[in-house]
Amino acid sequence: EAGVAQSPRYKIIEKRQSVAFWCNPISGHATLYWYQQILGQGPKLLIQFQNNGVVDDSQLPKDRFSAERLKGVDSTLKIQPAKLEDSAVYLCASSFRPDYADTQYFGPGTRLTVL
Amino acid sequence: KQEVTQIPAALSVPEGENLVLNCSFTDSAIYNLQWFRQDPGKGLTSLLLIQSSQREQTSGRLNASLDKSSGRSTLYIAASQPGDSATYLCAVQGFQKLVFGTGTRLLVSP
Repeated sequence: EAGVAQSPRYKIIEKRQSVAFWCNPISGHATLYWYQQILGQGPKLLIQFQNNGVVDDSQLPKDRFSAERLKGVDSTLKIQPAKLEDSAVYLCASSFRPDYADTQYFGPGTRLTVL
Repeated sequence: KQEVTQIPAALSVPEGENLVLNCSFTDSAIYNLQWFRQDPGKGLTSLLLIQSSQREQTSGRLNASLDKSSGRSTLYIAASQPGDSATYLCAVQGFQKLVFGTGTRLLVSP
């Protein structure tokens, strides 16, 4: 079974530029998550999708971050404009069910450096 | 607001030692607790999941315990190996959100 795919794996941009990350979840997984992991910290949930609807985006900085999940499969996370503090690893995860009992499977992440 | 703390932040041991990683959380209203492993440049791999009604889970050389009332969990690694070197993250599942600790960076030297 293929795992969660993410691209690109690394990205370096200058502040105020825009960037987009892509995630392809495990086939059949209805729930998709985006996490931000700043160096030395644990991952923090940014947004959770159930199919193509948003379940939780309470920690997403909506003035600069946006995310969508087209057709309930792939997802894109965008930052526009980027700030220095956005430097982090962005992890995508998916699960078969949205409830608390289901294990989340994580992709390898995209490491973003903002200069 | 749930807060998860892991101690120690880093640990270095010689191969073969048994070791314990600690995790504490502030809100005992959880559904489950998971231990993850994170290797550099890779995503997170779930090691063990303990439901709130359980006391412990075992997988190979790993044993995780949960004391929900005191807000504590431990991950015990027996006979450590260099391949165990990684960052170990504890995460508690609340109503909707998985809240992570800051991790323990483990180095096992040959």
